[in-house]
Amino acid sequence: QKEVEQNSGPLSVPEGAIASLNCTYSDRGSQSFFWYRQYSGKSPELIMSIYSNGDKEDGRFTAQLNKASQYVSLLIRDSQPSDSATYLCAVIKAAGNKLTFGGGTRVLVKP
Amino acid sequence: NAGVTQTPKFRILKIGQSMTLQCAQDMNHNYMYWYRQDPGMGLKLIYYSVGAGITDKGEVPNGYNVSRSTTEDFPLRLELAAPSQTSVYFCASSYSYRGSGGTEAFFGQGTRLTVV
Repeated sequence: QKEVEQNSGPLSVPEGAIASLNCTYSDRGSQSFFWYRQYSGKSPELIMSIYSNGDKEDGRFTAQLNKASQYVSLLIRDSQPSDSATYLCAVIKAAGNKLTFGGGTRVLVKP
Repeated sequence: NAGVTQTPKFRILKIGQSMTLQCAQDMNHNYMYWYRQDPGMGLKLIYYSVGAGITDKGEVPNGYNVSRSTTEDFPLRLELAAPSQTSVYFCASSYSYRGSGGTEAFFGQGTRLTVV
């Protein structure tokens, strides 16, 4: 079992729709969770961080964390073509505190 | 506001050559990481460091070495380069609290390495 798992996609959504991305993790003691966006040929950039169960909203983005079910999700509302990118889920594991990434989900927003 | 600085940005190596990828951060972060990213894939952890003088292996450490003599610098050494090491390498840093998670990681611009 991979430590952090994501569906590789591509997830194709029409412009203006909601994109829903999911991520599961294996270490039940994980404390910190992050969503990064990566454009082709660029470095990952942070979109959201979430540390406690529930929802966290920032503009068009909402992160949801459920530690009991060991998943974290990201919703992108009113998707724009500029949201087309790969979205990486990252988790700080309890053991060693190292930051581990999932394989990423490629999102394509079609005008 | 330099953040995380990686050098070089691009490099072509011949099989069997060696090189050092440089990484420096000015945010006083205790954790530093080296990842590699193959085309269309996620980030795989090569090595990480929890502080000066302390390093540990990630999931793909073979063929690489690291050192951390200062808080700021975390160079990655490639010995005897092989075509399988062709990849994009990212350095990152963060602040982590022992047993309590940590903050987000900040990334350098990446080094695109080709081994021929």
